[in-house]
Amino acid sequence: AQTVTQSQPEMSVQEAETVTLSCTYDTSENNYYLFWYKQPPSRQMILVIRQEAYKQQNATENRFSVNFQKAAKSFSLKISDSQLGDTAMYFCAFMKQQGGSEKLVFGKGTKLTVNP
Amino acid sequence: GAGVSQTPSNKVTEKGKYVELRCDPISGHTALYWYRQSLGQGPEFLIYFQGTGAADDSGLPNDRFFAVRPEGSVSTLKIQRTERGDSAVYLCASSLRSGAGYNEQFFGPGTRLTVL
Repeated sequence: AQTVTQSQPEMSVQEAETVTLSCTYDTSENNYYLFWYKQPPSRQMILVIRQEAYKQQNATENRFSVNFQKAAKSFSLKISDSQLGDTAMYFCAFMKQQGGSEKLVFGKGTKLTVNP
Repeated sequence: GAGVSQTPSNKVTEKGKYVELRCDPISGHTALYWYRQSLGQGPEFLIYFQGTGAADDSGLPNDRFFAVRPEGSVSTLKIQRTERGDSAVYLCASSLRSGAGYNEQFFGPGTRLTVL
């Protein structure tokens, strides 16, 4: 079974600064996807960024980028130029790439607060 | 609306009662997922539908939980003899599941269930 671990329950950052959220995972699969989701107080999960395990290049989406270390099974999220609207819970998630139900396995989350 | 909708937004019930939670997926999405998010945790997979059939129900915690999707669109999660431990946010997600390759799951805002 796959597990996802987020070791930082809470983090805070000043507006316009950079913050990195950590995630490690455990799997015996070779082909999979990794994700970061944002969950604001409205509860709706929003996909922030996705990484395919077979790709060596780290994914980027505007101010969001990841540091994917496949051998170390590490997948951190860097948020640059933090904005007040980035305040939310952030969840790291895993999905097998082939076969099965494509169910997501989530970590426990990191609560990020961006301070003005 | 174009997104996944869930009703009710909040549900308060008494221990031992029966509840139904409804999910309306994005039109045309054949795959539908239910997740449960307990306080302070990440979402946990419950069940996955491909069309009308439950393709993976391995996450249902016990036989008090049941879900249906009779016409391949709207789904209802049913919980019998509710217990206080069932209190959580129940999230629904849908995806296109058009075949090979990645299919993004789009989440609804969830139903917060409170069992007194």
